[in-house]
Order: sequence, then C-alpha cells, then structure tokens
Amino acid sequence: EADIYQTPRYLVIGTGKKITLECSQTMGHDKMYWYQQDPGMELHLIHYSYGVNSTEKGDLSSESTVSRIRTEHFPLTLESARPSHTSQYLCASSEGGLSSETQYFGPGTRLLVL
Amino acid sequence: AQSVTQPDIHITVSEGASLELRCNYSYGATPYLFWYVQSPGQGLQLLLKYFSGDTLVQGIKGFEAEFKRSQSSFNLRKPSVHWSDAAEYFCAVAVTGGGNKLTFGTGTQLKVEL
Repeated sequence: EADIYQTPRYLVIGTGKKITLECSQTMGHDKMYWYQQDPGMELHLIHYSYGVNSTEKGDLSSESTVSRIRTEHFPLTLESARPSHTSQYLCASSEGGLSSETQYFGPGTRLLVL
Repeated sequence: AQSVTQPDIHITVSEGASLELRCNYSYGATPYLFWYVQSPGQGLQLLLKYFSGDTLVQGIKGFEAEFKRSQSSFNLRKPSVHWSDAAEYFCAVAVTGGGNKLTFGTGTQLKVEL
C-alpha cells in the first residue's frame, strides 16, 4: 500500500493569496492525480501526471496549476485564491503494470478561502 | 464516456444487520471497478477492486462485492455491519486504456444505529 502525504491538512486563507498544496508519495509511483471534492459530492479529477515533467488537465476545469519535477512530489498551486476555491483537495498515486489502475489516496487538504 | 450511479444517497442500518450498497456503471466494455470508503475528514481507502476473473471479490474489513455484467452492477455487501463502518462509500470505474482515470459515483452515506 502506498504512503501518500498531504500538507497542510487544513488551510484557511484570505482572498487573493497564493497557496500551494503539497503532495508526496514514497512508493515511487509514476502516476499521480489531484481531485477536488465538495462536501457530500463525488470526486472530480482536476490534474494528473504520468511521470516527471508530465502534467495534464483533468475532467473538471480548475484555475489551479501543478508541476512534477520529481517523481515523489506533485504540488498544486492557486495563484490567487477565491471563495469559489473552497473545497477538499485529494491527491492520489498509482503504480505501473496491471495494477496501474489502482489509485491510493492521501488524507486530503481542506481549503477555506474567506 | 463512462459513468457510475449510486442510487442511494443515505442508508441507515442497525449494527449487526446485513448491508448492500448499490453501484451501476455505464461502459461498453468490461471496466475496472473499485469501492472506496471515506471516513469524516479523511482521504479514501480502497476496500476492494475487480479487474477480471472471479466475479465475487473479497476486500478488507469483511466487505465483498459481486460484478454482474448483465446488470452492469458492482454491489458492495457485508453480512454484519459494525458501528465503525459508518462512513461514505464511493464506487468508481476505470476504463481500459483510459489512462488510469477514475470516474466516481456520488457516494452513499452509511449510518449505523446501535
């Protein structure tokens, strides 16, 4: 099972601030993902990466950006936070091969933008 | 595009009673199917998955699920529910060759009465 870490777990910030949500995994997984989840709702994929220097936008449009400079690290950045960005952000990773479809999730970051 | 339907938004069962959570998917070929559980304020934990082979799969915490191709269903079951099973349960599908992207259902909130 993968070990995935997300920091911070909770963040309250004012409108217009720049924020970076951190996600790291220690299992050497090539593929990583960011999901957005509003309370009581399903998860929506906003970004994914198949490896270093690879990033793609997901099914749900997002004003956030991501980078993948190292295999284990997949940070998400909001240049100017707005109240509409208030949500929970979940990071996940998956290994290669036949089991590559199995994604393992971090604990999430709950973001509140005032 | 694939989709996942979880018809029950909330389910309440008594501790010790049996449980079945419904999941229906829409996809032309055989998908990869997953059940995840999310406790309050936490990330998602994988309960079980179906890729191929035996259509009855066993997972962690005493859960099992059965893939029924004719009904496009992948229902989750547990013979005797424990109070600690109270959480939100998500069914998800990944398509072969779909780049590992998961599509989630809207979730079923399980409440367990003591």
